[in-house]
Amino acid sequence: DGGITQSPKYLFRKEGQNVTLSCEQNLNHDAMYWYRQDPGQGLRLIYYSQIVNDFQKGDIAEGYSVSREKKESFPLTVTSAQKNPTAFYLCASSIQSGTSGRVHNEQFFGPGTRLTVL
Amino acid sequence: AQSVTQLDSHVSVSEGTPVLLRCNYSSSYSPSLFWYVQHPNKGLQLLLKYTSAATLVKGINGFEAEFKKSETSFHLTKPSAHMSDAAEYFCVVRYSSASKIIFGSGTRLSIRP
Repeated sequence: DGGITQSPKYLFRKEGQNVTLSCEQNLNHDAMYWYRQDPGQGLRLIYYSQIVNDFQKGDIAEGYSVSREKKESFPLTVTSAQKNPTAFYLCASSIQSGTSGRVHNEQFFGPGTRLTVL
Repeated sequence: AQSVTQLDSHVSVSEGTPVLLRCNYSSSYSPSLFWYVQHPNKGLQLLLKYTSAATLVKGINGFEAEFKKSETSFHLTKPSAHMSDAAEYFCVVRYSSASKIIFGSGTRLSIRP
């Protein structure tokens, strides 16, 4: 089955620790995204990547880091510099990033990782 | 500035009655518009998308949306609500001039028995 997976589903972290959230897709999509969702709020973009070995900051990149060494993988590290990391994290992918022409390719979302800082 | 506004943070309807979730976007030459649904502790699932082929778009689970350029709206409707429709719904806009995707703040739909 094609799809996008995230692991773990639930993650607990002590203050001061870095943690890495996994995101893998086998859809052969070029673009991948990380979002943060807080209770009762919409999604906020953390980082996105349009192509392997390249990524850009989103709206709330501070305290986070990413890598894109492989097309199918886009891990997110929540560092100790992130002051309020407890949230639901969603990864998504799409066929193209939309930098030219008509862009109507939708994003496919993973099931999410709920991170709780103890 | 490019934006999308979901006019209601919470909508409650009785089972079997129509559903209307409202979405307005800032004007753009050629936006792509999407509606997603999110059940608790789950990822987002695409309901439907507008890509300029037709102004009335039919999606999954009996949902549909109409693109109205003059009103810059893309409201989501369903003729008869089902208990399983209770979820959070997001209106999403993507502009051809930028790679950025803009999410609305979401509308929580509750269904009364």
